Amino acid sequence: EVQVVESGGALEQPGGSLRLSCVASGFTFTSYAINWVRQSPGKGLEWVSGISGSGDTTKYADSVKGRFTISRDNSKNIVYLQMDSLGAEDTAVYFCAKDLGYSSGWGIDYWGQGTLVTVSS
Amino acid sequence: QSALTQPASVSGSPGQSITISCTGTSSDVGGYSYVSWYQQHPGKAPKLLIYDVIKRPSGLSNRFSGSKSGNTASLTISGLQAEDEADYFCSSYTFSSTYVFGTGTKVTVL
Repeated sequence: EVQVVESGGALEQPGGSLRLSCVASGFTFTSYAINWVRQSPGKGLEWVSGISGSGDTTKYADSVKGRFTISRDNSKNIVYLQMDSLGAEDTAVYFCAKDLGYSSGWGIDYWGQGTLVTVSS
Repeated sequence: QSALTQPASVSGSPGQSITISCTGTSSDVGGYSYVSWYQQHPGKAPKLLIYDVIKRPSGLSNRFSGSKSGNTASLTISGLQAEDEADYFCSSYTFSSTYVFGTGTKVTVL
């Protein structure tokens, strides 16, 4: 059974940092891209970042470019999202999501339950 | 990358068919065959309904179908049921090798 489980969400002050983790199981981890998608309270879905199966290709939404860094440890089946210079606009539930393809963009077939990030003083 | 445009809400009676549109540009929906649709119930994670414009994941009801014409993709739900009441989002691959999601549509079963 495919599973992706996020952790690391918390209350953080503006300007602070957080690192989200996503542990995956039930599939050949290195064959698929992993994405982070966020959803602000009562709002729609926003793709944040994606990383290819090997980790050599990373992509970011313009809204987080230069502040967020995605990485993966293929020996542990974990994907990380390092979030720096957080602002109120980053408040959202963050979903870890498995791609249908080796690179991001082909569609998302499995989603985690999400982890809540709240940025507030 | 601007969000794809969806109607804010669509409603229908049980047994009816409804269609949700998803309009983008030639740099996303119109340029690629990687349009997906997702269903999201309140407080839950999204669920994949359609990928590659028209394909259904294994085991998914054939009441859900997808299509595309030009820069607009569509999701049709036939034989509407009470459990179909949820939010629906489209997504597309883009020219910059990223995703763009739709604005979302709330489906109400009357």
